Amino acid sequence: GAVVSQHPSRVICKSGTSVKIECRSLDFQATTMFWYRQFPKKSLMLMATSNEGSKATYEQGVEKDKFLINHASLTLSTLTVTSAHPEDSSFYICSANSGGRDTGELFFGEGSRLTVL
Amino acid sequence: GQNIDQPTEMTATEGAIVQINCTYQTSGFNGLFWYQQHAGEAPTFLSYNVLDGLEEKGRFSSFLSRSKGYSYLLLKELQMKDSASYLCAAMDSNYQLIWGAGTKLIIKP
Repeated sequence: GAVVSQHPSRVICKSGTSVKIECRSLDFQATTMFWYRQFPKKSLMLMATSNEGSKATYEQGVEKDKFLINHASLTLSTLTVTSAHPEDSSFYICSANSGGRDTGELFFGEGSRLTVL
Repeated sequence: GQNIDQPTEMTATEGAIVQINCTYQTSGFNGLFWYQQHAGEAPTFLSYNVLDGLEEKGRFSSFLSRSKGYSYLLLKELQMKDSASYLCAAMDSNYQLIWGAGTKLIIKP
């Protein structure tokens, strides 16, 4: 099946620094990727939809200047958490749809656990 | 508004059968998904239903009733490795997934 790879899987950084998380579709082209945030014991919260070659679409309440998304190619989307603070510590997950949008099956990356000290 | 309801937690015995229910209310409907998520890991796809009825895939089956806005995931011959959270998600008319909070399934020997 389709594979989505996410890197790094774990990152610890100091408050005020920026962290970049990469999401790659390994065996298919993904014009759309999704970025989620998950708090402990909570469900996925869609942060933004990453569109190849255009600006990301952010969900209400998500700061676009805080969470920068770049989708420069059909196989790579990046999420940069800028000026990270402890409250940004979370599990960030990307996903991509390998088929047409009406198939809907999402393939998820392994997730990235961010800890901001 | 759009809403997904599923139980917070369920407990079952190894070797038994468990049914996890999900009700949904969405603006339009383009399918119902079930995902499995082990603690600390990303979700993995289990099933997709868009037509009424039962879809069987090995030990897992998923059922959908569009008229009732209802789905269930049926797990047979439970194994300890089935201990995980099971996420129900409905796709609305804009092809956006609306996620439930997940059902934590605890399997006891």
